[in-house]
Amino acid sequence: ILNVEQSPQSLHVQEGDSTNFTCSFPSSNFYALHWYRWETAKSPEALFVMTLNGDEKKKGRISATLNTKEGYSYLYIKGSQPEDSATYLCASVTGFQKLVFGTGTRLLVSP
Amino acid sequence: DTGVSQNPRHKITKRGQNVTFRCDPISEHNRLYWYRQTLGQGPEFLTYFQNEAQLEKSRLLSDRFSAERPKGSFSTLEIQRTEQGDSAMYLCASSLVGGPMNTEAFFGQGTRLTVV
Repeated sequence: ILNVEQSPQSLHVQEGDSTNFTCSFPSSNFYALHWYRWETAKSPEALFVMTLNGDEKKKGRISATLNTKEGYSYLYIKGSQPEDSATYLCASVTGFQKLVFGTGTRLLVSP
Repeated sequence: DTGVSQNPRHKITKRGQNVTFRCDPISEHNRLYWYRQTLGQGPEFLTYFQNEAQLEKSRLLSDRFSAERPKGSFSTLEIQRTEQGDSAMYLCASSLVGGPMNTEAFFGQGTRLTVV
């Protein structure tokens, strides 16, 4: 993998559903993996910064895992709420500490 | 600190004109990034600075784009002879790099450029 790729591109779920997204990134020269949430008309805000293989982080109903050897990270949202509707971005950080973003996953949670 | 500030928030310009955007990062942050975002895409890397040094400029960026961070504090992004394809949201972000912790990037609210 040469670029940062995210899937799915968009997702529409019902309130209460649990969901997950995938971020694939180059595993060579890995330094860190960031997840951001970007709500409409606001700035992207950091959710997690992950560095270690096998890392698992949690913030409320949102959690993320990291596999640096195979170059992927999963973001999970348990019991989605309408306020979770946003674009979720992952960014790969290489040894030069340049942030390279994926195209994002647009999540819409309907009441 | 009030966070990352970008000015102006919106800019409408005629094709062929030059535009300049400003970014004021969080004061103690040594790293500053510029990104461009168009509809349906994630932030596309343009360039980044460590203090006043420009570390890299995207190869996709034409010579009409230039950025500076003269004293390692605020940064400007200039686009010369604007084209309609330059219409996008221009995002600035800053972070603290080099310490013991991996810190996240903090973003400004962006400058929305429309070239007519």
